Amino acid sequence: QKEVEQDPGPLSVPEGAIVSLNCTYSNSAFQYFMWYRQYSRKGPELLMYTYSSGNKEDGRFTAQVDKSSKYISLFIRDSQPSDSATYLCAMKGTGTASKLTFGTGTRLQVTL
Amino acid sequence: NAGVMQNPRHLVRRRGQEARLRCSPMKGHSHVYWYRQLPEEGLKFMVYLQKENIIDESGMPKERFSAEFPKEGPSILRIQQVVRGDSAAYFCASSPPTGSAEQFFGPGTRLTVL
Repeated sequence: QKEVEQDPGPLSVPEGAIVSLNCTYSNSAFQYFMWYRQYSRKGPELLMYTYSSGNKEDGRFTAQVDKSSKYISLFIRDSQPSDSATYLCAMKGTGTASKLTFGTGTRLQVTL
Repeated sequence: NAGVMQNPRHLVRRRGQEARLRCSPMKGHSHVYWYRQLPEEGLKFMVYLQKENIIDESGMPKERFSAEFPKEGPSILRIQQVVRGDSAAYFCASSPPTGSAEQFFGPGTRLTVL
């Protein structure tokens, strides 16, 4: 079993839809949770970063962490064609400087 | 403020040759991480370095791979005697010295082994 599970998609939604992206994990030591966006043949771009449980909102993006269920989510409101990309969840344990463990990524396509 | 820089962006090597990948972290960042991304897979951690020190190399293959981050100059990921299975995108990330868990990624080096 992988430490971090993420549905690879592809997920296709119409412009303006609310998108929900999710990851589950098995390692209870994870404390820091991140979402990256990766366009084709580019480097990952950090979107959201959350410590421990709770919600965090930034513009059209909301990140949620439920440590009791080992489940994290990223919501994108009013989705745009420019949101079409692969979304990677990543997490790490205690100690700010340590390796990230990634999900495989979910490919999202927002259609006109 | 320049981001993480990697070069070359594309590298083609024949089996048995050496590949050298370079990474310059963001200004003020002293922590460097290398990750590998195989087609249709997520990023896999390889090694974590600070200046002149390897902190965690638990993701590095035991043979042919090495990394360094000298006092001056970029971090180098070196792959000796490359094989076709080494073909992948290699990403470098950096983070500040203290107080932040965020890692910022470079554009990657795409290695193709013929």
